[in-house]
Amino acid sequence: DAMVIQNPRYQVTQFGKPVTLSCSQTLNHNVMYWYQQKSSQAPKLLFHYYDKDFNNEADTPDNFQSRRPNTSFCFLDIRSPGLGDAAMYLCATSRDTLAVDFGPGTRLTVT
Amino acid sequence: DQQVKQNSPSLSVQEGRISILNCDYTNSMFDYFLWYKKYPAEGPTFLISISSIKDKNEDGRFTVFLNKSAKHLSLHIVPSQPGDSAVYFCAASASGSRLTFGEGTQLTVNP
Repeated sequence: DAMVIQNPRYQVTQFGKPVTLSCSQTLNHNVMYWYQQKSSQAPKLLFHYYDKDFNNEADTPDNFQSRRPNTSFCFLDIRSPGLGDAAMYLCATSRDTLAVDFGPGTRLTVT
Repeated sequence: DQQVKQNSPSLSVQEGRISILNCDYTNSMFDYFLWYKKYPAEGPTFLISISSIKDKNEDGRFTVFLNKSAKHLSLHIVPSQPGDSAVYFCAASASGSRLTFGEGTQLTVNP
């Protein structure tokens, strides 16, 4: 089945220790997104790639970076995680459409 | 500035009855609206959408209504089933721009 895959599903990192979350997709979608979702809040778009073009949201902290080495993979790097970065991180994809397909998410805990 | 609002954080209904989930928006440029359903520990899944040229879209037990003058949309689920218990997010887009999500409404369908 075509899908969006996120690894790991649960990630624990220490305060200030860099962490990378990964996302892969078999849908051959050209757009990939990273969302941050905290409890009882709306998913918040951090950035997205439209093909190779990177689009950062204005209020995304510099602490968050992303890489998309090819169509199928996209990474979220958090350079120095703080306690406030604990959240669910959702990867999503779309093919020039508005209905994005989400992965299962990675739950990040910062200790 | 929360442009998409779901004012009811939770809703509880009896199995077989109608569930009505509401969503309000402030940006008059929004022209495409979507509903997503999210189970615990999973990513949101697309449910149904509506373009601003329509006022109703139906898919099985799910119907979305759009009232542009009131900047309001609603999702009707009838009959409601226990498996419908989930968090429901509405989302909106303006001219193909990125989606803006509401905070979600937790629907509980009681047997």
